[in-house]
Amino acid sequence: AQRVTQPEKLLSVFKGAPVELKCNYSYSGSPELFWYVQYSRQRLQLLLRHISRESIKGFTADLNKGETSFHLKKPFAQEEDSAMYYCALPATYNTDKLIFGTGTRLQVFP
Amino acid sequence: EAQVTQNPRYLITVTGKKLTVTCSQNMNHEYMSWYRQDPGLGLRQIYYSMNVEVTDKGDVPEGYKVSRKEKRNFPLILESPSPNQTSLYFCASSSNRGGGELFFGEGSRLTVL
Repeated sequence: AQRVTQPEKLLSVFKGAPVELKCNYSYSGSPELFWYVQYSRQRLQLLLRHISRESIKGFTADLNKGETSFHLKKPFAQEEDSAMYYCALPATYNTDKLIFGTGTRLQVFP
Repeated sequence: EAQVTQNPRYLITVTGKKLTVTCSQNMNHEYMSWYRQDPGLGLRQIYYSMNVEVTDKGDVPEGYKVSRKEKRNFPLILESPSPNQTSLYFCASSSNRGGGELFFGEGSRLTVL
């Protein structure tokens, strides 16, 4: 069964420290993976998708098929990065349906 | 402005009192969906709709109903709310082209006493 695992509920770092939010998945075939972000009191929004290979707000994520991971990284965290982060992948039977992980709350302290 | 709009944003109700959470999108999207967000459980899909008059159950449909009479609207109906339906609800939409980008509403926080 498809599954997205985010092992950390909370990740706390100081401003300027590197950040890595972990995401592991189970999927048969070539997955398309996404990171969504939810800032305080705001709606969820797409942060980045692996297929575009772009860096958004300094975040990058590399798909590692061997380790079935799609970790989100940023070399220098900023206070405004504090948010809830969700990793997601489409269901094979319905690509518009996203299966979400349980989320990781990132806290960046000054 | 392209957006998904939910109402009400906050609601406190009592067990058994029927309620409807409305969702409307102005992007002409075929696909719409409802999720609930609970601490430690992340986002779980309740119902989804591939197009007008086409709806299907998600992962946690018990206690909910939906309808899709118009493309832009996808209301979530709780016929007889119970305390375990206290949650934060999100409506989302996307085009049927796949690609996975969901556009979310701002959320509706429901408390059932």
